[in-house]
Amino acid sequence: DTEVTQTPKHLVMGMTNKKSLKCEQHMGHRAMYWYKQKAKKPPELMFVYSYEKLSINESVPSRFSPECPNSSLLNLHLHALQPEDSALYLCASSKQWTSGGDSEQYFGPGTRLTVT
Amino acid sequence: EDQVTQSPEALRLQEGESSSLNCSYTVSGLRGLFWYRQDPGKGPEFLFTLYSAGEEKEKERLKATLTKKESFLHITAPKPEDSATYLCAVFKAAGNKLTFGGGTRVLVKP
Repeated sequence: DTEVTQTPKHLVMGMTNKKSLKCEQHMGHRAMYWYKQKAKKPPELMFVYSYEKLSINESVPSRFSPECPNSSLLNLHLHALQPEDSALYLCASSKQWTSGGDSEQYFGPGTRLTVT
Repeated sequence: EDQVTQSPEALRLQEGESSSLNCSYTVSGLRGLFWYRQDPGKGPEFLFTLYSAGEEKEKERLKATLTKKESFLHITAPKPEDSATYLCAVFKAAGNKLTFGGGTRVLVKP
């Protein structure tokens, strides 16, 4: 089973709202990722968690706040977003955050976020 | 500077018309090259990992190959359900990050 689940599937929020995206995997993977994808563009890495510790923050604005409560769960807290933040937000996981066979990343279906 | 370039950007095929997609890269310390398929509005679906030049992997009508500078994804006798965007991504030791190419949008017409 290589399933990563994400909720909600769609989210519409105003610029003053606070919302959260949720990602879950039960594959025993110890690395989890958040990506942002705009239309007709490839995914862009935002954050990497390894063993529940933040390992990479790709200079993401502080209005995006990641959280990894345990090895199966990854959240992305959103606050005071801008319309240009509208995108598909993808979660991924891999066995390890390292090179070699354990680095294969499996993606969830994404959350389509619209900021009004 | 590390670069991953996919060509063509878009490809229109007739059902049964075989073709190849190209992914060229200039990355130091390559540790793996990945191919993904992505349908509109969905997350990328993992297809293959290639680790060393000369390696080949197959899955149904898809075959991926790797050289020292590029990878090819061959689609043999495609069907309409093979229509998707195909993404390649490289994984390098420094930074442990995936760097994606721009993707190739494939449309297979019946």
